[in-house]
Amino acid sequence: DSGVTQTPKHLITATGQRVTLRCSPRSGDLSVYWYQQSLDQGLQFLIQYYNGEERAKGNILERFSAQQFPDLHSELNLSSLELGDSALYFCASSALGRRPEAFFGQGTRLTVV
Amino acid sequence: TQLLEQSPQFLSIQEGENLTVYCNSSSVFSSLQWYRQEPGEGPVLLVTVVTGGEVKKLKRLTFQFGDARKDSSLHITAAQTGDTGLYLCAGEAVGDGNKLVFGAGTILRVKS
Repeated sequence: DSGVTQTPKHLITATGQRVTLRCSPRSGDLSVYWYQQSLDQGLQFLIQYYNGEERAKGNILERFSAQQFPDLHSELNLSSLELGDSALYFCASSALGRRPEAFFGQGTRLTVV
Repeated sequence: TQLLEQSPQFLSIQEGENLTVYCNSSSVFSSLQWYRQEPGEGPVLLVTVVTGGEVKKLKRLTFQFGDARKDSSLHITAAQTGDTGLYLCAGEAVGDGNKLVFGAGTILRVKS
């Protein structure tokens, strides 16, 4: 158990819809990352938050947005969903600084039909 | 452009063979980590290397951090089918604090 919790584990939704994925980081970790992974692909970095502020942005579509709340949990919002958005979405948290290692949640498998 | 370049992208080998996966950058890193991901699961941390030239062993896996702290390698001896997975390197670049960057990964398939 990494200590990072992602909900829901599975999500099936129709094209054009909007969904919200939730991530609770490990206790004490200030940084949260979101990644997208399509079938047999590597991790595509979407966005990073650090203590509530956006820190780095990767290949995140304009239809996607994220935020980190004061209690450090984070949400990834995906809107106007397309079939190609079907993927595993991972959240990771890190303390950074002296302990930079990232700990990943189990992921949310999104299927757009 | 990836800050961390991993090679090869894909590797398919027979059980018992040895292999090496590389992680390279033009930037200096304060530390590098290696992760392994099995299908449908989140990546799991294998090791962190911190000192230039450092070598760490984890059973049949040997991790090395380059002297200049710009590159790292993962060597697996006598690969087993259970080693199959996606191997990722990640690190914090010096002077670019609070950002953990990942390589694209190496997909390893070990056949019996």
